Formats: sequence, structure tokens, C-alpha cells
Amino acid sequence: SAVISQKPSRDICQRGTSLTIQCQVDSQVTMMFWYRQQPGQSLTLIATANQGSEATYESGFVIDKFPISRPNLTFSTLTVSNMSPEDSSIYLCSVEAGGAEAFFGQGTRLTVV
Amino acid sequence: GQQVMQIPQYQHVQEGEDFTTYCNSSTTLSNIQWYKQRPGGHPVFLIQLVKSGEVKKQKRLTFQFGEAKKNSSLHITATQTTDVGTYFCAGGGGGGNKLTFGTGTQLKVEL
Repeated sequence: SAVISQKPSRDICQRGTSLTIQCQVDSQVTMMFWYRQQPGQSLTLIATANQGSEATYESGFVIDKFPISRPNLTFSTLTVSNMSPEDSSIYLCSVEAGGAEAFFGQGTRLTVV
Repeated sequence: GQQVMQIPQYQHVQEGEDFTTYCNSSTTLSNIQWYKQRPGGHPVFLIQLVKSGEVKKQKRLTFQFGEAKKNSSLHITATQTTDVGTYFCAGGGGGGNKLTFGTGTQLKVEL
């Protein structure tokens, strides 16, 4: 299993600013995933972050808007840049540890005003 | 790209009634996983199915993977208030250990 600490748990931000979300895992993992979950909706994969290489972004998500860092095998950050109200959502980091099941952080509830 | 749909979107049941959610993928899956998300919480892994036609049980929950590996179902017998939440299926096979989450079924259980 894996225990993931994600922070902040929630934030209210002004439009045009940026927020960096941190995700710390209690064990080394190869791949970390960042998801967005809009209210009442499913999870949409933003990008996959591997240590030592650039993140791989899904269709509709770009590095300039969602830069990701992956400095080591236990840590990653996602930045939501130049925020607008449409970015209001829950952002979740996730890892696979050993088996194929995914473990999730507690999520960051972002409100942009 | 791969799309995974679930029906129904919402389900209200009386405690003690059964509940089923169905999951359908536009493409063949290497595996299917099921997650439960309580209100205000994060998704929690329930089970993974890998083999065509596989059936697994966890107490009151029964999971099935279709013969063609494109659909799956979750059945809960005699629902309880603790079953409240949104149930997501998630399909593997999108490449690079990626999961494609289904649209989810929100279950509400009334006393």
C-alpha cells in the first residue's frame, strides 16, 4: 500500500494567480498521476509524472497551464497557472504501489474567485 | 480515445434493497478496477478483475467482468447506509498503466 500526503487540502485563489499542489508518498514509486475532478463529475487524467523525465500530458492539458515537477521518487508538484474560475475543481494525485491498484491523496479543493 | 460509461448516473434505494451499476468501455480492456468515493472523500480501491468472465465477491459486493472484456458490473446485495457514495469503474489498457475512469454511479441509501 501507499500513504499519500497532499497539500493544501483546499484553497481559495484570485483569478490570474497560480497555486502549487504538493504530493508526498511514503514509498518510492515510478509513476505518479495527477487528476482533476470537477464537482459531481468523474476523474480526468491531467498528466503522468515520471522521475527524471518530463511529464506526459493528456489531450486538452498543456504544460504551460499545468507544469509538473517530479524531483525524486516520492514527491511531485502540480501547478495550476493563471487561474480562472473554470479551474475550480478538486485536484488529486495518485500512485500505484506494487500491484495495479491506485492510491489517492486526499485531494485539493480549489476555488478560483 | 477510450471512453468508459456507467449507468445509472444516480440511484436511490431503500436500505435492504439491492443495487447494480453497469460499466461499458468503447474498447477492450486489459483489466477493470472498481473504486468507491464517499462524499467529500477520495476514491478508494475496491477490486481488480483481469480475466474474461471473471466474478469476484467481497461480502455483499459482487463484481463481474464481461466475456469480451468491455463491460463490467458491481452488484450490492441488501444495501446499507454505509454503502452511500459514488462507485467508479476504471479501465486499464490505455497504455502506461493509465486508468480511464467511468462516469460514476452515485448511490444514496435511505432508511
